[in-house]
Amino acid sequence: DIQMTQSPSSLSASVGDRVTITCRASQTIISYLNWYQQKPGKAPRFLIYGASSVQSGVPSRFSGSGSGTDFTLTISNLQPEDFATYYCQQSYNAPFTFGQGTRLDIK
Amino acid sequence: QVQLQESGPGLVKPSETLSLTCAVSGGSVTRDGYYWTWIRQPPGRGLEWIGDISFSGRTNYNPSLKSRVTILVDTSKNQFSLKLNSVSAADTATYYCARDSTSSRGYYFDYWGQGALVTVSS
Repeated sequence: DIQMTQSPSSLSASVGDRVTITCRASQTIISYLNWYQQKPGKAPRFLIYGASSVQSGVPSRFSGSGSGTDFTLTISNLQPEDFATYYCQQSYNAPFTFGQGTRLDIK
Repeated sequence: QVQLQESGPGLVKPSETLSLTCAVSGGSVTRDGYYWTWIRQPPGRGLEWIGDISFSGRTNYNPSLKSRVTILVDTSKNQFSLKLNSVSAADTATYYCARDSTSSRGYYFDYWGQGALVTVSS
């Protein structure tokens, strides 16, 4: 199985800040990397596919980059509704695997 | 707008079979280009992909669960189902169904059900 490792596991930030979350794959996954946002008690929300393509309806402050084994999710101008847990997920090989999550809290 | 809704017992006894159904509305499970997926999340933990199925019945399972999992599709009811047998407390989780879409840039889970908490306990 491909292991996905996110860093940091948690971080605190303020409204208006710019934050970056990193996801590293245990082997190359080319650009088959997706990002999801999850709020407590809710299902994950799909944000980004193919490492950098933002899903329709997702605010433009969300962006993704990377290829091979190293990827990033950047959120610019943090809004109150962005405080949540974020997961990366690879779709290069089944079983599809997720990172352990990064919890983003209000400072 | 595609919507998915899980249903099934919230409490299952150890060694018995967990059974869940996912009803799909706003779209057909027979539409080509999609798989239909089950994902679970133990309390306070991360996400684990269980497996998926195409409208034709082709399945893919997580090897860690493959010996205990069956996913079926019922095109007449526009739904798909999950059976997990010989459950233990480790199978306690919120179970999500989702649509697995494909593009030139890979697969992704773009629509999710609200989730169904299943507790394994005697």
